[in-house]
Amino acid sequence: EAGVAQSPRYKIIEKRQSVAFWCNPISGHATLYWYQQILGQGPKLLIQFQNNGVVDDSQLPKDRFSAERLKGVDSTLKIQPAKLEDSAVYLCASSLNPGGAWETQYFGPGTRLLVL
Amino acid sequence: DQQVKQNSPSLSVQEGRISILNCDYTNSMFDYFLWYKKYPAEGPTFLISISSIKDKNEDGRFTVFLNKSAKHLSLHIVPSQPGDSAVYFCAATVGSSNTGKLIFGQGTTLQVKP
Repeated sequence: EAGVAQSPRYKIIEKRQSVAFWCNPISGHATLYWYQQILGQGPKLLIQFQNNGVVDDSQLPKDRFSAERLKGVDSTLKIQPAKLEDSAVYLCASSLNPGGAWETQYFGPGTRLLVL
Repeated sequence: DQQVKQNSPSLSVQEGRISILNCDYTNSMFDYFLWYKKYPAEGPTFLISISSIKDKNEDGRFTVFLNKSAKHLSLHIVPSQPGDSAVYFCAATVGSSNTGKLIFGQGTTLQVKP
């Protein structure tokens, strides 16, 4: 079974530029998560989708971050404009059934973003 | 406000010995706890979990202990192997939640020396 795919793996941009990340979850997984992991910290949930609807985006900085999950499969996360403090690893995860604590979340390898 | 804390950034143990990783939480609503393991350049992978109705859960060399009164959990690895060298994240959630939102600690880097 293929895992969660993410691209690109690395991205370097200058502040105020825009950037987009792509995620393809495990086939058949209804729930998709985007996390931000800043160096030295644990992953922090940015947004959670159930199929193509948003379940939780309470920690998404909506003035600069946006995410969509068209057709309930792939997802993109965009930052526009980027700030220095957005430098982090952006992790995508998916789980089989509509999100509940008992559902194992499977993580992709992440996209490492450096904002200069 | 950090609701899940791993106060030891790193731990070094000898191969064959026990590794003990600790985690504290502050939110009394948390009732389901997980440990994830992360190798460099990879995403975290689920390792073991425990519900608040238990105080111990074991899976092979890995055992998680939960002390609800102290709001403390620990992961024991016995015996430790060099392949266990990784970053370990503790996470917590509210089991009755319909979102499964995980709150992660900062992580502990474990090094197992041959």
